[in-house]
Amino acid sequence: ILNVEQSPQSLHVQEGDSTNFTCSFPSSNFYALHWYRWETAKSPEALFVMTLNGDEKKKGRISATLNTKEGYSYLYIKGSQPEDSATYLCAFSDGANNLFFGTGTRLTVIP
Amino acid sequence: ETGVTQSPTHLIKTRGQQVTLRCSSQSGHNTVSWYQQALGQGPQFIFQYYREEENGRGNFPPRFSGLQFPNYSSELNVNALELDDSALYLCASSPVTRTINTGELFFGEGSRLTVL
Repeated sequence: ILNVEQSPQSLHVQEGDSTNFTCSFPSSNFYALHWYRWETAKSPEALFVMTLNGDEKKKGRISATLNTKEGYSYLYIKGSQPEDSATYLCAFSDGANNLFFGTGTRLTVIP
Repeated sequence: ETGVTQSPTHLIKTRGQQVTLRCSSQSGHNTVSWYQQALGQGPQFIFQYYREEENGRGNFPPRFSGLQFPNYSSELNVNALELDDSALYLCASSPVTRTINTGELFFGEGSRLTVL
């Protein structure tokens, strides 16, 4: 079983603050790294799928970076809004037909 | 919304019983994966179906089985339920096959199973 770790487990930020969290994964047999946002009582939705070392992706106020050599990815949220409150999951792929998920970072944005 | 629907949303069973969970994939998607999320854990891969055949399996015992139908909808069956089977079961569909891991998954909202 591959070990994918996310930190912090949870955090609270004030509206307007910027924040970031980390996903650590095995640096060997890397194929892809996924980020999903999961709002309460909804389904997880894909934010990014990243495959290349040094890749940086952006969607609105959310961006992510990838370092496959050292096995980590950062997710950044600029100017957090209450609607950003969700659990953010990362998932590692080694090329087989499954994803290995972390336990997620639960973000609460306080108005 | 992703277009992936799961039923039932909640159910309660007792130890030893059997359960069937259902998933309708997003239109045009031919691959369905099932994940189990136990309390405090990340989703764990159970298996994947592509064109009605199992196409990969995680570390789950044989009492976890599945089906995929010609319309690409899918079922997850669990026999001889145990207390530890209590979890949220997520279904995810995708339109690709061998390159699935470079493409996003489209998840349903899950079926929450409680085993008493």
